[in-house]
Amino acid sequence: NAGVTQTPKFQVLKTGQSMTLQCAQDMNHNSMYWYRQDPGMGLRLIYYSASEGTTDKGEVPNGYNVSRLNKREFSLRLESAAPSQTSVYFCASRRQGQETQYFGPGTRLLVL
Amino acid sequence: RKEVEQDPGPFNVPEGATVAFNCTYSNSASQSFFWYRQDCRKEPKLLMSVYSSGNEDGRFTAQLNRASQYISLLIRDSKLSDSATYLCVVNPGRGSTLGRLYFGRGTQLTVWP
Repeated sequence: NAGVTQTPKFQVLKTGQSMTLQCAQDMNHNSMYWYRQDPGMGLRLIYYSASEGTTDKGEVPNGYNVSRLNKREFSLRLESAAPSQTSVYFCASRRQGQETQYFGPGTRLLVL
Repeated sequence: RKEVEQDPGPFNVPEGATVAFNCTYSNSASQSFFWYRQDCRKEPKLLMSVYSSGNEDGRFTAQLNRASQYISLLIRDSKLSDSATYLCVVNPGRGSTLGRLYFGRGTQLTVWP
């Protein structure tokens, strides 16, 4: 099993550009999450999906949209990137009934 | 007030030392507690859950004090490979947010030879 995979690993954008971060898990997990991690701030939840077909806002959803395409895939879209969105983005998933979240390797995003 | 507060460190200790990290949480109704480990430029991974009675996993001991809303992690006989950032994590377990985790900023540990 690959676990949780994320693409791309690195990305540089100009202000105003859009992009989609992709996340997929092959562990048949129900719940999936998007976090961002900034120096000194810890991990902050952007959006999550408790199950296929549902999505909910987390702590810092502004400037982002998500799509739970199917049980495996949960994408994060930046419609108009801003320098404040420079961060490391982690996707995670969790099996129903368990609490452990499994993280992908992250996407490092720089917005100029 | 942040849900989870941690001393960011850094802690720099020699091999073989014992080191302890602490964390506090703000929601007294929080359900479950964890320590995650994050290596430099890598993703967080579960180190251990924290149980009310305290629990041990080899050189690692986790303790929970619900009355003080305080969690600790003790590492004995530190190894070079223990160098990482340790994240205190809390599941508030509130209704629709069940499964959602709150992460502390992390405590950075460097073990030197």
